[in-house]
Amino acid sequence: NAGVTQTPKFQVLKTGQSMTLQCAQDMNHNSMYWYRQDPGMGLRLIYYSASEGTTDKGEVPNGYNVSRLNKREFSLRLESAAPSQTSVYFCASSVEQGLETQYFGPGTRLLVL
Amino acid sequence: QQPVQSPQAVILREGEDAVINCSSSKALYSVHWYRQKHGEAPVFLMILLKGGEQKGHEKISASFNEKKQQSSLYLTASQLSYSGTYFCGTERQNAGNMLTFGGGTRLMVKP
Repeated sequence: NAGVTQTPKFQVLKTGQSMTLQCAQDMNHNSMYWYRQDPGMGLRLIYYSASEGTTDKGEVPNGYNVSRLNKREFSLRLESAAPSQTSVYFCASSVEQGLETQYFGPGTRLLVL
Repeated sequence: QQPVQSPQAVILREGEDAVINCSSSKALYSVHWYRQKHGEAPVFLMILLKGGEQKGHEKISASFNEKKQQSSLYLTASQLSYSGTYFCGTERQNAGNMLTFGGGTRLMVKP
């Protein structure tokens, strides 16, 4: 099992460009999450999907959109990237939402110039 | 609201003990602990539930004080492999089961 995979590993964007971060899990988990990690801020939840077909906003959703394509895949889209979105983005999944271990992907390092 | 972790950083010698604290101003339902090594993804350590028992994982254990809305992570006889950043994630009651993570505690264990 690969667990949680993310693509790309690194990306450099110019302000205003758009991109989609891909995430897939092969553990048959129902819930998936997108976090961003900035120095000294810990992990902040951007969006989550409690189950296939549902998505909800987390703490910091502004500037992002998500799609739960199917049970395995959960993508994060930046429509018009801004320097404030420079961060490390982690995707995670769990069997169900809450009271469950979250398994994290390796992360995507994004730099917006 | 983000839980507050203390200390922000700690340096230990191999074999020494450490305590990392996590506190919230809101009523908590559960506390999750994760460890992240530099350049890697966070890895789950344990979950503590309201009304639950103290948990243990190898020589790492944790407690949850519901009255104070605080959790403490205890690292006993630390090993070099314990180095990393420790995060607590708190799940508030009636808050949609979302985890809110603290800013992290950097732990360095030296030989």
